[in-house]
This record gives sequence, structure tokens and C-alpha cells, in this order.
Amino acid sequence: DIQMTQSPASLSASLGETVSIECLASEDIYSNLAWYQQKPGKSPQLLIYYASSLQDGVPSRFSGSESGTQYSLEINSLQPEDEGDYFCQQSYKFPLTFGSGTKLEIK
Amino acid sequence: QVQLTESGPGLVHPSETLSLTCTVSGFSLTGYSVYWVRQPSGKGLEWMGRMRYNGDTSYNSALKSRLSISRDTSKNQVFLKMNSLQTDDTGTYYCTRAPRSTMGITLGYFDYWGQGVMVTVSS
Repeated sequence: DIQMTQSPASLSASLGETVSIECLASEDIYSNLAWYQQKPGKSPQLLIYYASSLQDGVPSRFSGSESGTQYSLEINSLQPEDEGDYFCQQSYKFPLTFGSGTKLEIK
Repeated sequence: QVQLTESGPGLVHPSETLSLTCTVSGFSLTGYSVYWVRQPSGKGLEWMGRMRYNGDTSYNSALKSRLSISRDTSKNQVFLKMNSLQTDDTGTYYCTRAPRSTMGITLGYFDYWGQGVMVTVSS
């Protein structure tokens, strides 16, 4: 199975700041990487697919990038509604696997 | 609009079988694949299996011996059955939809999720 190592496990940042979350794939997944946001008590929502494509309706302050097997989610100009958990997911090979998640707190 | 709604018992006893239903609207089960994903309480996400638009199924090998997914297209429903439940199967179970490309290829991420159903395994 492809392992997705996500970091950090948690981070705290202030309004207006920029944060980055990383996922390292255990093998090449050829950009087949999605990012989700999950707010408390809610189901995950798709933010980014194919590493850098923004899902319809997602604010442009969210962006994705890649470098080899390392994938990043960047959130610019943090807003209060950005607080929540973030997960990466590889869709290159079955079984589909997720990162362990990052809890983002807005100070 | 696209909706997925999970339903099922909130409490299952150890060693018993879990039966969940995902009722969809706004799209056809013969056009899109539906996946099951679960989330143990306070933990990450695990892909369980899928019902493809053509009726084929595939399962996470970690669960394959206990898991069965089926559907009733006339009722727009996908079913999950998992036997021999244990306490570490406690969590929230989601059904999700995978989008299709303009070429009709099912993509491996999830654009719509149900609200989830919480399942507790306890005696």
C-alpha cells in the first residue's frame, strides 16, 4: 500500500498568516493527490485534486503544489473559517490511502 | 443537487454484522461510482471499498474478508455489510461519490460526501 506521511500533525496560526501542510508519498503517485478540509462534526470537503486543481467554489487562497513525491497545501490569508482538519489522499493506486491529518487552529 | 445519505444502526454488538445504506439523489448509480470511507473516532480516514457504476466492486484488502458492497439501482441505494465487528470498528462511516472525467473515466477522489453515520460497537 502507498503510505502518505502528513505533517505537521497540528499547527496554530493567526488570522491573515500563510500556512503550509505537507504530504510525502511512499512512492510516485504522479500528481494523483487530493486535499480535503473537515470541520468539526462535518464530513470532509474536497479542496484540491490532481495536486493543484482547485475544486469549484473553493477560495483561491487555497493552493496545492508538488515536488517529486512531496505534496503541499498552502493556505494564504488565513480566515476564521479555515480552522479544521486537513487530509491528503492519493488516488493513484488501490487501496486509496489518506494522510493522518493536520489540525489547524486559528489564533 | 447531488446528495448522499447514510443510514443504519447506531449501535452494533461485538461479533455482529453492520448493515448500512447509502441513498443517493441528483445522479445515477449507473453513471457514477460510490465509495465507502470510514473514520474511527478522533482518527484519520480509511477507504473501505467501492461500487463501480457498472456494478463491479473492489475492497480494501484489510477488510475484504468481512466486507460486502451491493446496490439496488431502482432505489438509488448502495449497501454495505461488514461482519464480525469489533470495538475498533467504532467510528463514522461515509459514502462518497467519485467524479468522472470528460472522457468518462472514474477519478479516484471524492467530490461529494454524505453526512456520515456514527456506529458504535459495544456490548
